Amino acid sequence: EVQLVESGGGLVQPGRSLRLSCAASGFTFDDYAMHWVRQAPGKGLEWVSGISWNSGSIGYADSVKGRFTISRDNAKNSLYLQMNSLRAEDTALYYCAKDKTAGVAGNAFDIWGQGTMVTVSS
Amino acid sequence: EIVLTQSPATLSLSPGERATLSCRASQSVSSYLAWYQQKPGQAPRLLIYDASNRATGIPARFSGSGSGTDFTLTISSLEPEDFAVYYCQQRSNWKWTFGQGTKVEIK
Repeated sequence: EVQLVESGGGLVQPGRSLRLSCAASGFTFDDYAMHWVRQAPGKGLEWVSGISWNSGSIGYADSVKGRFTISRDNAKNSLYLQMNSLRAEDTALYYCAKDKTAGVAGNAFDIWGQGTMVTVSS
Repeated sequence: EIVLTQSPATLSLSPGERATLSCRASQSVSSYLAWYQQKPGQAPRLLIYDASNRATGIPARFSGSGSGTDFTLTISSLEPEDFAVYYCQQRSNWKWTFGQGTKVEIK
């Protein structure tokens, strides 16, 4: 079964850091680009960051650029998001998502995890 | 950054009716557009990719059309399980953006 399981969320104070993880199974992880997408409570979806299969290409939303760092470990079938200088507006459910297209970043995300909640508050 | 604008914000329809959802891009995205369905408490589900291709397991009542800046998701006859929020998404270089969503609610 193809599966993505996020972890690492929690309550954190403004200005602090948090690292999210996403464990992948059921597919050849190192064939696909991977992404983080977030959803603030009651709001829509926001793409946060994406990374190519070999970490050679990386992108960030303007709202997190310079504060968040995406990475992956293909040997461990894992995706990560290091979040620094957290703000109240980063409060959201963070989803890990698999790109649909093998080899290059495609145009759609076909597998999603259930998300991990990050709350930034003092 | 390419902005996607979805309309209407809310669509009130009855089961069996046809739903037509619109997504407009601030500049051309070619056919690089996807549609997702999200139900409360669930992760999004991919419905349509590359503007008009149904994802695996998606029923034929869902169809997508358009290219350039104007796109449409059509649900030919609404089933009870189709009442949800729908998002469009585009990719431009290494940035992806979502529309703000259209809620399809029971009338």
